[in-house]
Amino acid sequence: DAGVIQSPRHEVTEMGQEVTLRCKPISGHNSLFWYRQTMMRGLELLIYFNNNVPIDDSGMPEDRFSAKMPNASFSTLKIQPSEPRDSAVYFCASSPSIAEVGKLFFGSGTQLSVL
Amino acid sequence: KQEVTQIPAALSVPEGENLVLNCSFTDSAIYNLQWFRQDPGKGLTSLLLIQSSQREQTSGRLNASLDKSSGRSTLYIAASQPGDSATYLCAVRTGNTPLVFGKGTRLSVIA
Repeated sequence: DAGVIQSPRHEVTEMGQEVTLRCKPISGHNSLFWYRQTMMRGLELLIYFNNNVPIDDSGMPEDRFSAKMPNASFSTLKIQPSEPRDSAVYFCASSPSIAEVGKLFFGSGTQLSVL
Repeated sequence: KQEVTQIPAALSVPEGENLVLNCSFTDSAIYNLQWFRQDPGKGLTSLLLIQSSQREQTSGRLNASLDKSSGRSTLYIAASQPGDSATYLCAVRTGNTPLVFGKGTRLSVIA
């Protein structure tokens, strides 16, 4: 298995632009998580899905952030409009189920820079 | 709300030394605790998982202990090697909530 695949690896954009981050979870995994990592705040959970349904989005910082999971093999995290303070590494992770977080696999992340 | 703290934030040791990384959490009613490794520019890789009923787990040169009542865990690395240089993160799961992570300890092992 190729693992969790995220794209793009790096994204540089200007303030006000729309940014879309993509994630393909491991085949057969039913739970998907979006995290954001910064030096100041560490790794923060933004939102997670179970069986394509959003379970908890309380970590989404503002309405500018939205996430979708249209099917079991694809998820997007969108920021519109982007701001410099959104600059961070965004990670996607998947696990076979919510209960099996001991089997949590991370993608390599998307490094986002908003100028 | 569960909070996870890791001390120190950074650590530099000579090759061959044994070392201990510390993790503390505020809510002792945890379901399990995990230690992860993160290499620069990469995602996280799970190293050890300790269930709340366990006191320790071992994998090779790594040993993780858990003292739930005091809200503490340690990761012991024996005979450190330059390849151990990475950031080590501690994460806890409380009930049905997803993992809450510490900010990590950045380890440098000097040859």
